[in-house]
Amino acid sequence: GDSVTQMEGPVTLSEEAFLTINCTYTATGYPSLFWYVQYPGEGLQLLLKATKADDKGSNKGFEATYRKETTSFHLEKGSVQVSDSAVYFCALRVMKVTFGIGTKLQVIP
Amino acid sequence: GAVVSQHPSWVICKSGTSVKIECRSLDFQATTMFWYRQFPKQSLMLMATSNEGSKATYEQGVEKDKFLINHASLTLSTLTVTSAHPEDSSFYICSAHRDRGTGELFFGEGSRLTVL
Repeated sequence: GDSVTQMEGPVTLSEEAFLTINCTYTATGYPSLFWYVQYPGEGLQLLLKATKADDKGSNKGFEATYRKETTSFHLEKGSVQVSDSAVYFCALRVMKVTFGIGTKLQVIP
Repeated sequence: GAVVSQHPSWVICKSGTSVKIECRSLDFQATTMFWYRQFPKQSLMLMATSNEGSKATYEQGVEKDKFLINHASLTLSTLTVTSAHPEDSSFYICSAHRDRGTGELFFGEGSRLTVL
């Protein structure tokens, strides 16, 4: 079946540090890939997405590139802020949406 | 953006009682809504797909008599946990995508159920 693997965390970074959260997947068919973010006390929100190989999704300084050859969709940001502290979920959709376990990011001043 | 609201956001109940959780799409119609369950340090697990005007479609291993889903209108789906037990304690999340939209999923804030 479809699955998404991501680092559990927590990931603790200082403000302005570079962020990478790895995400790899297995899927039947050709999935769309997503990163969702869940801020404390809030529901999940779509952060970015990519629908086909080599697409790059970007939003709020975050980027992720759909790499079919490595079945990966790693999330990156060049300079994190305290306000980026949240849980980040990698997900894929073929027929249904399958989520990774979520990675908690803590950014300290 | 589109808003999905869940109520209650947290509930504590005694073992053996039933609890109803509501999921509303506030500014769009949603023929289909989804119910997820999230365990600590685990991913969201799809429980069922709620279809307006018809029976819900349950994922394998999810007891349909335990988790009753009703999708009475295009903006409301309810999940009732019947005869709740401590092992039903969890975080329940609903989501929906806008009819005739892009397929983007919008999530509710989640409802934390604690069964004593």
